[in-house]
Amino acid sequence: GAVVSQHPSWVICKSGTSVKIECRSLDFQATTMFWYRQFPKQSLMLMATSNEGSKATYEQGVEKDKFLINHASLTLSTLTVTSAHPEDSSFYICSARWTGNYGYTFGSGTRLTVV
Amino acid sequence: KQEVTQIPAALSVPEGENLVLNCSFTDSAIYNLQWFRQDPGKGLTSLLLIQSSQREQTSGRLNASLDKSSGRSTLYIAASQPGDSATYLCAVSTNAGKSTFGDGTTLTVKP
Repeated sequence: GAVVSQHPSWVICKSGTSVKIECRSLDFQATTMFWYRQFPKQSLMLMATSNEGSKATYEQGVEKDKFLINHASLTLSTLTVTSAHPEDSSFYICSARWTGNYGYTFGSGTRLTVV
Repeated sequence: KQEVTQIPAALSVPEGENLVLNCSFTDSAIYNLQWFRQDPGKGLTSLLLIQSSQREQTSGRLNASLDKSSGRSTLYIAASQPGDSATYLCAVSTNAGKSTFGDGTTLTVKP
């Protein structure tokens, strides 16, 4: 149980286009989802926290207008990288917190390459 | 602010050796600690999850321990194999679900 499906697992896009990454909790309701990113040879860093039905909270240094997070339902959160540039190339991963429980599960991650 | 440190940053061992990877964290008020494996260009694979009330978890050749009071965890890999070559990440999480990751230990097991 407690599976988070993240899609796509990898994507290549052209500079200036937007890319949407989805995280879906398959067998539980997720009130809170977290988005992380990992630049080459660096560790995973928290980008933002999203709560269902409310605006996401972004970590310092993360551009909220560039990284749009939507958490419209208890089973789906999306991260849209708008007007992507090569420097946005990174590994993005989500985790979802179970409703009424302190458990959480990670998605498998998305590797974004902007060319 | 939680800080997670993993030592060593890189490790190279011959096949068959037993090895220990270390993870330390500065704030002992954690909910759980998780060890992940990351292969080059791939996603994360969860290896072991230790709740704050637990001392260790085992899965096959892997054993992870947790000493919350001292802010330390170890991942023990027995009888290492070339297929174990990967980067191993340690992450500690609060009860709110936020995770802080270490920089990882890159393991190479030579045939």
